[in-house]
Amino acid sequence: ETGVTQSPTHLIKTRGQQVTLRCSSQSGHNTVSWYQQALGQGPQFIFQYYREEENGRGNFPPRFSGLQFPNYSSELNVNALELDDSALYLCASSPAAVAEQYFGPGTRLTVT
Amino acid sequence: KQEVTQIPAALSVPEGENLVLNCSFTDSAIYNLQWFRQDPGKGLTSLLLIQSSQREQTSGRLNASLDKSSGRSTLYIAASQPGDSATYLCAVLTGANNLFFGTGTRLTVIP
Repeated sequence: ETGVTQSPTHLIKTRGQQVTLRCSSQSGHNTVSWYQQALGQGPQFIFQYYREEENGRGNFPPRFSGLQFPNYSSELNVNALELDDSALYLCASSPAAVAEQYFGPGTRLTVT
Repeated sequence: KQEVTQIPAALSVPEGENLVLNCSFTDSAIYNLQWFRQDPGKGLTSLLLIQSSQREQTSGRLNASLDKSSGRSTLYIAASQPGDSATYLCAVLTGANNLFFGTGTRLTVIP
C-alpha cells in the first residue's frame, strides 16, 4: 500500500510568482487536507477536499486555492507569493472527512 | 476558537527515563485527538489516535490518555531511547474537519 506522496520536495520561488504543489492520497482515501507549517510552529489548516469539493477552509486568503481530481489526488495553488508564504506545506489524506489523517513528507517552499 | 497548548516546549532527559508530555485544548467539542512525531524538516508520523469516547490508547512504549471534559491529554513514553528524539505534536480534530495543532514539545534523549 502506497502512502501519501508530495511533489516537489523543495521549491524556491520569487515574491509575486505563482506555485502549484501536488499530493497523491493513500489508496482508498477520498479526503485530502492541506496544512502550512512555518518554522518552529505547529501546522495550520488551509483547506480540505472531500470527493472533489472543498469541505472546510482555515483562515487563509483566496490566493490559496486547491483542486481535487477524480483519483482523489490534489493540488494546492498559491498566487502572488509573499515572503511569509515560506513554509513546509503538508498534505494529509483520510478515508473520510472526519477520520484519522495520514501525512505526506511535505514540500518545503522558500520565497525570496 | 480552538487553541492547543503543549508544555513543556522543550525537554531533555537521559536515556532510560520515563517521561510525560502534556497537551491542553480549550474547546472540548472534538472528534478525536492525535499525537504525532516530527523529525527535523520532515513530515508527521502518527503515533496514537484517541477517539473522543475513549480514555487512552497504547502502542508499545507509548501511552496516551484523554480527559475531554478538562481539555487535557498526556503522552507517556517509557524507557526513553535516543531514537525517540524528535518534536512531538498533539492535534485535535473538530467538526470543521480541521486538525488544530499545538506548537510541539522538542524532546532530546541523551545517551
